[in-house]
Amino acid sequence: DAGVTQSPTHLIKTRGQQVTLRCSPKSGHDTVSWYQQALGQGPQFIFQYYEEEERQRGNFPDRFSGHQFPNYSSELNVNALLLGDSALYLCASSAQHINRVAFGSGTRLTVV
Amino acid sequence: AQSVTQLGSHVSVSEGALVLLRCNYSSSVPPYLFWYVQYPNQGLQLLLKYTTGATLVKGINGFEAEFKKSETSFHLTKPSAHMSDAAEYFCAVSDERDGGFKTIFGAGTRLFVKA
Repeated sequence: DAGVTQSPTHLIKTRGQQVTLRCSPKSGHDTVSWYQQALGQGPQFIFQYYEEEERQRGNFPDRFSGHQFPNYSSELNVNALLLGDSALYLCASSAQHINRVAFGSGTRLTVV
Repeated sequence: AQSVTQLGSHVSVSEGALVLLRCNYSSSVPPYLFWYVQYPNQGLQLLLKYTTGATLVKGINGFEAEFKKSETSFHLTKPSAHMSDAAEYFCAVSDERDGGFKTIFGAGTRLFVKA
């Protein structure tokens, strides 16, 4: 049973560019959350998707947007990249209850 | 608003010694509490969680934590440290609101284990 898978594992982008990160939830999970973890810090909640809609959002600008597909997979899009967007982006999936949350290994984004 | 404070960004113990990582939380509703471990260049692994019921929670790798509502604390302990315990540890708090939830993490505590 595959856990949460994220792609790509690493990528490098230039300031001003746009990026799309992908997440496939654990089998049986229908809720996806995204987190940003800057170097030396704890993960910060970006947003959560359920039934293809954004259900909760953290304190992130509109440059951060997402999408959830009918198969529960999700994308995180970041526009107009800034150097400060460099971080590990973590995806977490769950089955409609915080009792069962699984994290992926993350995508490390470097903005130069 | 929820928040988590982890006391001590770095903790160093000798192999075989007691591990104590401190966590205090703030939540306006009954919280769900978690401890995660992160090894270099990896994602988060759940060590243990408190939702309801028994306040002493046992997790993987010999770790345990006790929920103390009066102290708003959820400290993580392990009786005897092993070299493989060296990692970053995150305390987190979460609740369910409006059918959804978000998890708030502390800044993390890096555990060093000396031989």
